[in-house]
Amino acid sequence: EIVLTQSPATLSLSPGERATLSCRASQSVNTYLAWYQQIPGQAPRLLIYDASKRATGIPARFSGSGSGTDFTLTISSLEPEDFAVYYCQQRTNWPLTFGGGTKVAIK
Amino acid sequence: QVQLVESGGGLVQPGRSLTLSCAASGFTFKNYAIHWVRQAPGKGLEWVAVISYDGAFKIYADSVRGRFTVSRDNSNTTAFLHMDSLRTEDTAFFYCAKALQSYGSGSSPFDYWGQGTLVSVSS
Repeated sequence: EIVLTQSPATLSLSPGERATLSCRASQSVNTYLAWYQQIPGQAPRLLIYDASKRATGIPARFSGSGSGTDFTLTISSLEPEDFAVYYCQQRTNWPLTFGGGTKVAIK
Repeated sequence: QVQLVESGGGLVQPGRSLTLSCAASGFTFKNYAIHWVRQAPGKGLEWVAVISYDGAFKIYADSVRGRFTVSRDNSNTTAFLHMDSLRTEDTAFFYCAKALQSYGSGSSPFDYWGQGTLVSVSS
């Protein structure tokens, strides 16, 4: 099973700041990595897939990069609605796996 | 618009069974794999199972293999997750999610999710 490790566990930032979230895989997942946002009480929402492709309707302030084992989700300027938990997920091997999540909290 | 609506959750005793449903609309259901993902209260996401667009391919997480069974009814655009021998550690919100890409095995990101249904396993 491919293990995804996300860091940091919590990121405390202010609106307007840049957020950089990391996801590291225990073995190469090529570029088959997705990012999801989950606001408390809601279902997850797909943000980025295949490492760098924005899903439909996702604002341009969200961007993804990386390949192999190291990936980054960047939020260029945090909006109030961006404070949430973010998960990475790989689809290279079964079982599909998620990272443990990074909470982006208001500082 | 795409909608996925889960139902069937509730309180159940350990060792008992429960079947969840995922009613889909707004897309060509028979062309897309459906995944089940769960989330224990206050915890992260755990992928549970997938069923391919035609029902021919099913994969399960180790934690549920042999106890859970996925199925689908393409005529009624509904997917199911049948859960046997439930354990306290199965307590979670269960989400169904649509594969982004059509056909194939379902190894695809999930572009639409239902709102989830809570399964509580307790004596």
